[in-house]
Amino acid sequence: GQQVMQIPQYQHVQEGEDFTTYCNSSTTLSNIQWYKQRPGGHPVFLIQLVKSGEVKKQKRLTFQFGEAKKNSSLHITATQTTDVGTYFCAGPLDSNYQLIWGAGTKLIIKP
Amino acid sequence: SQTIHQWPATLVQPVGSPLSLECTVEGTSNPNLYWYRQAAGRGLQLLFYSVGIGQISSEVPQNLSASRPQDRQFILSSKKLLLSDSGFYLCAWTPGTLVPYEQYFGPGTRLTVT
Repeated sequence: GQQVMQIPQYQHVQEGEDFTTYCNSSTTLSNIQWYKQRPGGHPVFLIQLVKSGEVKKQKRLTFQFGEAKKNSSLHITATQTTDVGTYFCAGPLDSNYQLIWGAGTKLIIKP
Repeated sequence: SQTIHQWPATLVQPVGSPLSLECTVEGTSNPNLYWYRQAAGRGLQLLFYSVGIGQISSEVPQNLSASRPQDRQFILSSKKLLLSDSGFYLCAWTPGTLVPYEQYFGPGTRLTVT
């Protein structure tokens, strides 16, 4: 069946270092969505990418959608403590109303 | 603007007891509604979704059930809780269209089964 793989599971960085999480789908996606879940909180929608090769930026966050619309990445430049949390990607499941979710990448800032 | 409410925020229940979690959405009509469960430190597991009143699709066979008695109300229930039912239960909504737009989550209910 349709799958979305997300790596890495965890990433430990020093504050100020960059962070990247990658998402790969087994099938072509009509769009891909990114969410952030702060510790103890609920997932919050960040952005949706629709077009092949699309790149969108939100301040220090850069989101990319691959040319084949099967992979995506989220890159954070110069991480800050406010970036801590788990980042999830999700894509629509063919033919119904569901999203297929990646397992998430947890961003941990080293003390 | 739209808001989504879930209650209770936390719940501690003994094994074998019943469960009822409620989710309501304001400011929209005919939303698609979803129940997810998240185990500690894990990803999101879709339990149920609904595209209309009385229409429930189940993704995971288990001792949980869902109902949608009103357009903007979604209820998760169990007759007898198991230890494995512990987790963070999240309700989400999205506009009721064929294109899966972004999902908006409620604050969640942390359930501990003892």
